[in-house]
Amino acid sequence: GAVVSQHPSWVICKSGTSVKIECRSLDFQATTMFWYRQFPKQSLMLMATSNEGSKATYEQGVEKDKFLINHASLTLSTLTVTSAHPEDSSFYICSARVQTGYYEQYFGPGTRLTVT
Amino acid sequence: GQSLEQPSEVTAVEGAIVQINCTYQTSGFYGLSWYQQHDGGAPTFLSYNGLDGLEETGRFSSFLSRSDSYGYLLLQELQMKDSASYFCAVDTGGFKTIFGAGTRLFVKA
Repeated sequence: GAVVSQHPSWVICKSGTSVKIECRSLDFQATTMFWYRQFPKQSLMLMATSNEGSKATYEQGVEKDKFLINHASLTLSTLTVTSAHPEDSSFYICSARVQTGYYEQYFGPGTRLTVT
Repeated sequence: GQSLEQPSEVTAVEGAIVQINCTYQTSGFYGLSWYQQHDGGAPTFLSYNGLDGLEETGRFSSFLSRSDSYGYLLLQELQMKDSASYFCAVDTGGFKTIFGAGTRLFVKA
């Protein structure tokens, strides 16, 4: 099946700093990738849809200036959490869509961000 | 608004059969998917129903009734490794997928 990687798998940063998370589709081209946020024992909350070569589409309530998304190529999307605060601590997961007749999503392994 | 309802927790014993229901109310509907997520891991795709009926994949089956806005995931011959969270998800079109809150399945020996 399709493989999506994410880097780093975990990161600890200080308040006020920025953190970049990379999401790569390893064996397929993904024109569309998704970024989710998940709190412990809760569902996945879609933050934004990342489209290659164009601006990301953010969900309501998600600050686009705080969560910068860049989808520079068909295999790479990045999420940068700018000026991170402790409340940004969460599990961030990316996924990519492979339309194979239905809309299966392949998820990356996730990045656990802790802001101190 | 858009919503997916599924039970928060289910407990079953090894070897048993368990059914996790999902009802949905969305502005668009193209299909219902199921994902499994172990603690600390990423969700993995289990099944998809675009049309009414039953889809079977090994020990897992998924059912959809579009007229009832209802589906379920059926897990047979439960194993300890099946302990995880299970999410139903609706593809609403336009590449957008909405996930349910998840059902935590506990499998006991």
